[in-house]
Amino acid sequence: AQSVTQLDSHVSVSEGTPVLLRCNYSSSYSPSLFWYVQHPNKGLQLLLKYTSAATLVKGINGFEAEFKKSETSFHLTKPSAHMSDAAEYFCVVSSTSGSARQLTFGSGTQLTVLP
Amino acid sequence: ETGVTQSPTHLIKTRGQQVTLRCSSQSGHNTVSWYQQALGQGPQFIFQYYREEENGRGNFPPRFSGLQFPNYSSELNVNALELDDSALYLCASSYPLDAQFFGPGTRLTVL
Repeated sequence: AQSVTQLDSHVSVSEGTPVLLRCNYSSSYSPSLFWYVQHPNKGLQLLLKYTSAATLVKGINGFEAEFKKSETSFHLTKPSAHMSDAAEYFCVVSSTSGSARQLTFGSGTQLTVLP
Repeated sequence: ETGVTQSPTHLIKTRGQQVTLRCSSQSGHNTVSWYQQALGQGPQFIFQYYREEENGRGNFPPRFSGLQFPNYSSELNVNALELDDSALYLCASSYPLDAQFFGPGTRLTVL
């Protein structure tokens, strides 16, 4: 079975400083990996996806993630945090259930951005 | 192009009742997936529908059932509601092997 582990349940940064949200995955084959963001009382928004093309993936709002097979990691980064980045972030792996492609979510990382 | 929409936004039911949640997929998407997100947790996969057939299911009991219609919209039905069914229910639409796009969710409270 495939799974993801988000290493930090909470991350706090100051506005304008870099963001690093860590994710490790477990997969028996080359995975499809995603990062989603969830603002309070909102649905999930896709930030970026990795599907075995370039290992450095650029997403929306200045976020990017690097797929490192040797480290089984898919960490999310942003050079400079903005107040609007405060939200819950989920690292996600895509796996099969029957003939369906299902998403398996990590437990989430709550990002706080301090003024 | 319209995104994924869900109705209702909030719902309150009592134990033992039945509930139906609705989802309209994003234009052109023929696959709908449903997820349950309990408070403080990540979403859990319930099932997926493709061309009106259930083609995958997570670890949820049979009292969770669904439908997909010819226009690709979908319903999630839950029978014999239990307190633990209180959660945010999320619908996502996609092409079969592509990224999934989520609706805003329906907040279900079971009293």
